[in-house]
Amino acid sequence: AQTVTQSQPEMSVQEAETVTLSCTYDTSESDYYLFWYKQPPSRQMILVIRQEAYKQQNATENRFSVNFQKAAKSFSLKISDSQLGDAAMYFCAYRFTQGAQKLVFGQGTRLTINP
Amino acid sequence: DTGVSQDPRHKITKRGQNVTFRCDPISEHNRLYWYRQTLGQGPEFLTYFQNEAQLEKSRLLSDRFSAERPKGSFSTLEIQRTEQGDSAMYLCASSLGSDRVHQETQYFGPGTRLLVL
Repeated sequence: AQTVTQSQPEMSVQEAETVTLSCTYDTSESDYYLFWYKQPPSRQMILVIRQEAYKQQNATENRFSVNFQKAAKSFSLKISDSQLGDAAMYFCAYRFTQGAQKLVFGQGTRLTINP
Repeated sequence: DTGVSQDPRHKITKRGQNVTFRCDPISEHNRLYWYRQTLGQGPEFLTYFQNEAQLEKSRLLSDRFSAERPKGSFSTLEIQRTEQGDSAMYLCASSLGSDRVHQETQYFGPGTRLLVL
């Protein structure tokens, strides 16, 4: 069974600085997707960034980028120029390309932005 | 706003009562997912519909849980004889996809927070 592990329950960063959130996963599959979702307090979960496992190039979305290391099964999220609105729970998630394509989530990292 | 909506947003019930939650997906989305999220944890998959067919159920979905998606539109999740351990946030997500398209994004609703006393 696939598992996703986020080893940092909480992280904090100064506004305008850069922070990296860690994620590791375990799977025997070679074709899958990895995601970072953001869940602000009392608000719904939204997709931050997605990485296809067959792509070697790391995904980037504005201030958000990932470091995808397939052999190491590592998928970290870097947030540059942190803003107060980035404060949220961040969840790393895995999805196999076949079957129900359900998301398997990690435990989450609570990110605090210090002004 | 044409996002995923869920009703009610909050539900308090007594142990042993039945509760039903509703999810309205994005209108053209054919896939619908239910997840459960307990405090301080990531969401866990419960069940999945493609159109009106329920194609997969998690072991987490005991016999007290039932989900439907009549006509492939909205979905309901019913919990019978609720227990205190059922207290959680119940999240619904929808996506547009097919067996040949694997890149679809799941869009989440705001969730229904259930408290069983």
